[in-house]
Amino acid sequence: ETGVTQSPTHLIKTRGQQVTLRCSSQSGHNTVSWYQQALGQGPQFIFQYYREEENGRGNFPPRFSGLQFPNYSSELNVNALELDDSALYLCASSPGFFYTDTQYFGPGTRLTVL
Amino acid sequence: AQTVTQSQPEMSVQEAETVTLSCTYDTSESNYYLFWYKQPPSRQMILVIRQEAYKQQNATENRFSVNFQKAAKSFSLKISDSQLGDTAMYFCAFMKQSNNAGNMLTFGGGTRLMVKP
Repeated sequence: ETGVTQSPTHLIKTRGQQVTLRCSSQSGHNTVSWYQQALGQGPQFIFQYYREEENGRGNFPPRFSGLQFPNYSSELNVNALELDDSALYLCASSPGFFYTDTQYFGPGTRLTVL
Repeated sequence: AQTVTQSQPEMSVQEAETVTLSCTYDTSESNYYLFWYKQPPSRQMILVIRQEAYKQQNATENRFSVNFQKAAKSFSLKISDSQLGDTAMYFCAFMKQSNNAGNMLTFGGGTRLMVKP
């Protein structure tokens, strides 16, 4: 157990809809990162938040957005869903954003877009 | 940009035997970290072992050890005395060492390891 939880476990949406995924980090972890893992592939970095501000972003369009809250919870929002957004979405928390800060992953949310 | 390549999509090993998973990477950075993560069917990614690029000594964690060849940009994982619980996807990952770049991980495509009884 890493102390990081995600909800919901599974989610089915249709193309064009909007979705919100949630992550609860360990207490004291000020950094949360989100990754997209397509079936049979490695995770790809979406973005990172540190103390409620975006601290880095991967090659994902603006319809992927996030929020981080002071209570160590965070959200990933995806607008105008596309079929290719079907994937496992992982969040990872760490105390800070330095390279020495180990990231602890949640179990993920499996999103299916029909 | 960094790339991480795992050339073995699937591997299998008999229980109690030793197996080595391969990973190569490409980067222009001189300071970085390398990681092996395990993702069991429960999907929760677990850190197995970490190697700082500036350290010549290979990292070890109990039954897990790495062979880090910086010049060859190679980072393999050796699992000794394989156990059924080692069955999982294994991902090699790269992190640039920078106080300003965040701790973003770049992952390889993974190797599915099956330990057979």
